[in-house]
Amino acid sequence: QVQLVESGGGVVQSGGALRLSCVVSGRTNFAMHWVRRTPGKGLEWLAAISPDATSKFYGDSVRGRFTVSRDNSKNTVYLQMSGLRPEDTAIYFCAKGWVVSGLYLGMDVWGLGTTVKVSS
Amino acid sequence: YELTQPPSVSLSPGETARITCSGETLSDQYVHWYQHKSGQGPVLLIYRDRERPSAIPDRFAGSRSGTIVTLAITGVQSEDEADYYCQSTVGSEAVIFGGGTRLTVL
Repeated sequence: QVQLVESGGGVVQSGGALRLSCVVSGRTNFAMHWVRRTPGKGLEWLAAISPDATSKFYGDSVRGRFTVSRDNSKNTVYLQMSGLRPEDTAIYFCAKGWVVSGLYLGMDVWGLGTTVKVSS
Repeated sequence: YELTQPPSVSLSPGETARITCSGETLSDQYVHWYQHKSGQGPVLLIYRDRERPSAIPDRFAGSRSGTIVTLAITGVQSEDEADYYCQSTVGSEAVIFGGGTRLTVL
């Protein structure tokens, strides 16, 4: 049973940077996503990374500011965030991508999230 | 690309909730549904429009009519109070979520 635990959240000033981590217990041979829940906008997809880290994808609101990476030897996925803005204030979740026989079936395991607050 | 959901649905215990998700991208993409309660991680309820993970009770069901996909919750209970989100993809490189629907059990 895969479990995900996020960490690294905190309070940061506008324009600052933060790195979030997601530790994966169990196997790591699957794609991983970062998603956030903002107070007024609901869930927002941020980024995804393939099992071998060769492919990375980003949402429009974070492309160029956030970078997703992974270290499979440490069972950890990262989200490096820079140029943070007050509107980036949210709970950040990592989620496991569920793929069977090449078919994408959604995100079937989620962590509890880590909170980021960006002060102006 | 956007996915449109009603902001809120309110009903009494035992009734059936129907939450719709619509969008242009749904003409050729599947929808997945999530339940999200405060303080918890989201839970996958339905995948590929109508399939249910083994741990999800059959009170939750998905259906599709054209570009409108519906999540139905039969026999709503107080424990079902949560936010519900549909999710799809744009091509093979981007994921989008609907705006979410707050389900209130009166």
